[in-house]
Amino acid sequence: DAKTTQPNSMESNEEEPVHLPCNHSTISGTDYIHWYRQLPSQGPEYVIHGLTSNVNNRMASLAIAEDRKSSTLILHRATLRDAAVYYCILYSGGGADGLTFGKGTHLIIQP
Amino acid sequence: AAGVIQSPRHLIKEKRETATLKCYPIPRHDTVYWYQQGPGQDPQFLISFYEKMQSDKGSIPDRFSAQQFSDYHSELNMSSLELGDSALYFCASSLEESRFGYTFGSGTRLTVV
Repeated sequence: DAKTTQPNSMESNEEEPVHLPCNHSTISGTDYIHWYRQLPSQGPEYVIHGLTSNVNNRMASLAIAEDRKSSTLILHRATLRDAAVYYCILYSGGGADGLTFGKGTHLIIQP
Repeated sequence: AAGVIQSPRHLIKEKRETATLKCYPIPRHDTVYWYQQGPGQDPQFLISFYEKMQSDKGSIPDRFSAQQFSDYHSELNMSSLELGDSALYFCASSLEESRFGYTFGSGTRLTVV
């Protein structure tokens, strides 16, 4: 799987939008961009995924660059419960292949 | 909604002992994955099963084995435990044909003393 690069940590204030960047310059045409997050002492949680077009769901939005070499996870209004490690993962395998977690971004939310 | 169930939640074993971790996937999910997360580390993929057959293999030590049973639950067997095996072990499940994400359990915290 292609490699992703994320900032080690980011800090934001409660009730403000958060933009979490991810670089994946070696992405292949069949790679989907997945985001997971892991809250303290919990298992990872699926957030969102996309291929080429921007995506929205109840948790977040995913903005994908036109050349697909980068993407941004957008939390529209951060709450303290959004404090977690966010992982950007490229996934091209069949449904039974394991996800490869890299070094995610530790998001700190200030009240 | 039903989630992925893992048992036990906590387990303490001595070096060289064996341990068995269990995972019950979401109903109708046909694929199970095992991950290991050491202290301060990111989750590392160990192994996956689809329809009771091993599907993908990651960094699983030879001392570990796993299987998926006819009811789709899975067990991770760990022998000759070492101090370095102390970690959180997560199980996840999904539908094989779906790219909509995996659902992870709350994990089993294994401590080897």
